[in-house]
Amino acid sequence: DAGITQSPRYKITETGRQVTLMCHQTWSHSYMFWYRQDLGHGLRLIYYSAAADITDKGEVPDGYVVSRSKTENFPLTLESATRSQTSVYFCASSLGPYEKLFFGSGTQLSVL
Amino acid sequence: DQQVKQNSPSLSVQEGRISILNCDYTNSMFDYFLWYKKYPAEGPTFLISISSIKDKNEDGRFTVFLNKSAKHLSLHIVPSQPGDSAVYFCAASARAGTALIFGKGTTLSVSS
Repeated sequence: DAGITQSPRYKITETGRQVTLMCHQTWSHSYMFWYRQDLGHGLRLIYYSAAADITDKGEVPDGYVVSRSKTENFPLTLESATRSQTSVYFCASSLGPYEKLFFGSGTQLSVL
Repeated sequence: DQQVKQNSPSLSVQEGRISILNCDYTNSMFDYFLWYKKYPAEGPTFLISISSIKDKNEDGRFTVFLNKSAKHLSLHIVPSQPGDSAVYFCAASARAGTALIFGKGTTLSVSS
């Protein structure tokens, strides 16, 4: 199916482990984003990418790494997970940086 | 410092009545505003948007009003339906900016 898909849907990991959240879109959108949603904070931007091999930090980038070797994929890696990174992570894509975003269904991550 | 503020965490309305969700912003460079709707366990979905050159935009039961001088926008839902019960996020962007900035969200509950 066309659209934007995230995997896994749910993930439980332990403090200190490396975790990678996957995001794939089939629209050939140039821009892709990672947001996290936490109670009391709404949606906060972690990283975004304007095109393949171009990435930039958002509001809360510490502890995260991204890459974009192909236009359709935008994985998010937590190099050494911490409890404060327990959250719901949403990937999104758009035609431009200020255009409407299309979101995936989210990954619920728990760091124990 | 929050650039997009939704000061009401929740709103309860009866079916058939009007729902009014409010949003304030501080950045005068914002020129494009969007509302997203989010159901539990799903990603946010685009609802309606407005450019700063307009003061009103309608789409069916949904109308967004923009008051640039007050840096305020509102979403009106008329008539409200139980299926409208969700979290509503206000978002804003600037042509010179990099990505959408979201508010913390307002949870709307519509009772039948």
